[in-house]
Amino acid sequence: DGGITQSPKYLFRKEGQNVTLSCEQNLNHDAMYWYRQDPGQGLRLIYYSQIVNDFQKGDIAEGYSVSREKKESFPLTVTSAQKTPTAFYLCASSRPVVNTGELFFGEGSRLTVL
Amino acid sequence: DQQVKQNSPSLSVQEGRISILNCDYTNSMFDYFLWYKKYPAEGPTFLISISSIKDKNEDGRFTVFLNKSAKHLSLHIVPSQPGDSAVYFCAARNNNDMRFGAGTRLTVKP
Repeated sequence: DGGITQSPKYLFRKEGQNVTLSCEQNLNHDAMYWYRQDPGQGLRLIYYSQIVNDFQKGDIAEGYSVSREKKESFPLTVTSAQKTPTAFYLCASSRPVVNTGELFFGEGSRLTVL
Repeated sequence: DQQVKQNSPSLSVQEGRISILNCDYTNSMFDYFLWYKKYPAEGPTFLISISSIKDKNEDGRFTVFLNKSAKHLSLHIVPSQPGDSAVYFCAARNNNDMRFGAGTRLTVKP
């Protein structure tokens, strides 16, 4: 089945620790995205990548880093500089922007800072 | 800078009645508008979209209306069903930049 796989589903981080969230897609999509959903808020863009080896910062990129070495993979590292205590992270991908360009989302990863 | 706004955090309707979810935007460069549905602890799923050159798009029980002059769009669900209970996100796209509203939690009561 084609889709987007995020792992782990739940993750705990100690203050000062870096953690990496995995995102893999087999939809052959060029564009991939990372969003964060905070309690009671919408989805805010962290980073997005339109092609391999290229990515742009979104609205809340501080404290995060990404890489796009392969088309299928777009891992997100949450660094010790990121102070948000608990959030739900969503990875998405999309087809080339020739029509609606709707995003296909993974099931999300919940990160809790201890 | 919140370019897409959903001012109603929640909406409750009776089964069989119409649900109307509203969304406002500020950026006139958006070329597509989309609605997503989200259940707890899951990723959003695409529901319906509309191009900026149209004013209505219908798909079964779901209809999206776009008023460009008012920078406003709405999602109508009729008849509403208990399974429609979820958080609905409005989104607007400009090339590969997709912006989301804060979401509206719809509860459909039996």
